[in-house]
Parts: sequence; C-alpha cells; structure tokens
Amino acid sequence: QLQLQESGPGLVKPSETLSLTCTVSGSSISSSSYYWGWIRQPPGKGLEWIGSIYYSGSTYYSPSLKSRVTISVDTSKNQFSLKLSSVTAADTAVYYCARYVLTGDTAFDYWGQGTLVTVSS
Amino acid sequence: QSALTQPASVSGSPGQSITISCTATSSDIGNYNLVSWYQQHPGKAPKLMIYEVSKRPSGVSNRFSGSKSGNTASLTISGLQAEDEADYYCCTYAGSSTLVFGGGTKLTVL
Repeated sequence: QLQLQESGPGLVKPSETLSLTCTVSGSSISSSSYYWGWIRQPPGKGLEWIGSIYYSGSTYYSPSLKSRVTISVDTSKNQFSLKLSSVTAADTAVYYCARYVLTGDTAFDYWGQGTLVTVSS
Repeated sequence: QSALTQPASVSGSPGQSITISCTATSSDIGNYNLVSWYQQHPGKAPKLMIYEVSKRPSGVSNRFSGSKSGNTASLTISGLQAEDEADYYCCTYAGSSTLVFGGGTKLTVL
C-alpha cells in the first residue's frame, strides 16, 4: 500500500527557511510514471500547488513561489524534499506531499496526511 | 498563470443533484483534458474523485461525474448523501509542467 509521510519542523521563524521531507513507501520514487509534488493549504483557505519533481531531478515550480522554492529528490532514500526560503506568516499552512500520475490516470492519486507549519517568532 | 474560479458554496438536499463549476481565465481547461477533482473533509487530506475530466478512480461512487465545455469544467454529484458534505477542488494542467487549483467550493447537504 502506497504511503507518503511528511516530516519536518512545525515552527519556523520569519525570514528563515522552511524545510520538509516526504518519505514514500510502497512505490519507487524512481518510476518514470510519476511526478512527486508539494501542495499547501493555509488555515481556512484553499489548496495551492507549490511544485513538483521528477525522479531525474527535473523540477517545476509555481510562478508565484518560484523565487523562494527548491524541491529535491533522494532516490536512495525514496524521499523528496521542499525548501521555502524567506518565510513570512503568509507561509503558515498545512503542507501536503502527493504523487502525480503522468501516464494515464493523470492526477494526484495519493496524498500524505499533511503537516502544519507555523511561521512565528 | 491562469486562475480557476469556483463558486464559494453550493447546497442541496439529500437525493438531489448539484453541479460545481470550475472556470479558467485562460484556455488551460479547453486545451487539455487534464482536469481533476478532489474532495476534502475537515482535517483530512484531499481525495481524488475525478481525473482527466470525467474518469472515476476505482472505489469512487458513480454518483460523481465530471464534464467539460470550453474553458469550464464541472463536477456533478447525483443522489446527494450526507457524507458528500465537504470541500471540493478542481485542478488542471496549466502548461509548462505547471498545475493550478481552483479556490474550492463548500458543499452543504441540507
């Protein structure tokens, strides 16, 4: 059974860098059939796509966050990671990692449970 | 980047049908058959309900259906049930390997 699990600090200070890791079990992150993505949801608000990564390391970012986002992959650990720099209170959100199917069934089909990150001093 | 507009809320009585629209400001939806819909209950992760405009994943009730006309995609739920009360989000491929979500629609079952 495929599972995705987000991990990382739940509290980050303003101007610092938010760092999260998503550990994938039950599916190889090295498959050519998937992107691996990050999506966030501020409290009481909607979903926002942050970016995605292919196992080869190719990355795709939201234009609105591109200047502050870095997504990387570690195929040896079956993990991918998110770094968001220069955070402000507006970056407070539940952060989800998810699998995006590329070849048929195109959509985010599996999601992590989400992790709340609060930006506060 | 394109934006996807959804109604903030819709409501219906048990047994009725409702439709949630998702309109793109550019031709993203019209150009690609890559619209997906997600259901989210409070405190839970989103769940895939429809992919590629109108296809249902295994295990999703056939009361859920999707369609598209021009730059507007739609999610229809027939035979409304209490457990359908949730937030619903559309998502589409927006070109250059980017994705965009709609603002979400809160469905209330009266």
